[in-house]
Amino acid sequence: QKEVEQNSGPLSVPEGAIASLNCTYSDRVSQSFFWYRQYSGKSPELIMSIYSNGDKEDGRFTAQLNKASQYVSLLIRDSQPSDSATYLCAVNNSGDDKIIFGKGTRLHILP
Amino acid sequence: DAGVTQSPTHLIKTRGQQVTLRCSPKSGHDTVSWYQQALGQGPQFIFQYYEEEERQRGNFPDRFSGHQFPNYSSELNVNALLLGDSALYLCASSLDRDFLYNEQFFGPGTRLTVL
Repeated sequence: QKEVEQNSGPLSVPEGAIASLNCTYSDRVSQSFFWYRQYSGKSPELIMSIYSNGDKEDGRFTAQLNKASQYVSLLIRDSQPSDSATYLCAVNNSGDDKIIFGKGTRLHILP
Repeated sequence: DAGVTQSPTHLIKTRGQQVTLRCSPKSGHDTVSWYQQALGQGPQFIFQYYEEEERQRGNFPDRFSGHQFPNYSSELNVNALLLGDSALYLCASSLDRDFLYNEQFFGPGTRLTVL
């Protein structure tokens, strides 16, 4: 059974600080990795995709991938109250149609 | 650029009834996936449609069926509703030729409540 594991939180971070969200996955052949943000009562919104080992930066967001450790993370710099949401880690295997999601980490930015 | 749309927004049904949910993919996308999200859980893959055929299916019973139309829009049908079918049903669209990356974009969802 392919699994994606996340700490459910809540993770509380002061405004302006760096929020660090972590995710591990079980299937070594996983190829594509995604972070989705989901506000309460809304649908998931794709915020980052990463496919190669290392870091990928987009604005205040940095995704980090380590395939050897089967670990992917998301850093949010200069955290804002509007970043308060549930962050879903998702994993896909090349040629596989479905994306496997973790249960999400609730992030709370303290004003 | 039109995003993914879903209808209806909310539905209330009783046990044993049947329901049809609808999805139109993002402009330019040809592949539609359906997910079920229970409260406090991540989305669970139901199935994916491409070229009007079901291409892959998750661990859901045959009560869950679907269809894709020539314009790439899709329907999800659920028969003999159970209380446990209450959830947010999400449609996600993607571009098949981008299969190596498989970025999927979600619609707003349909909240189904079964009483």
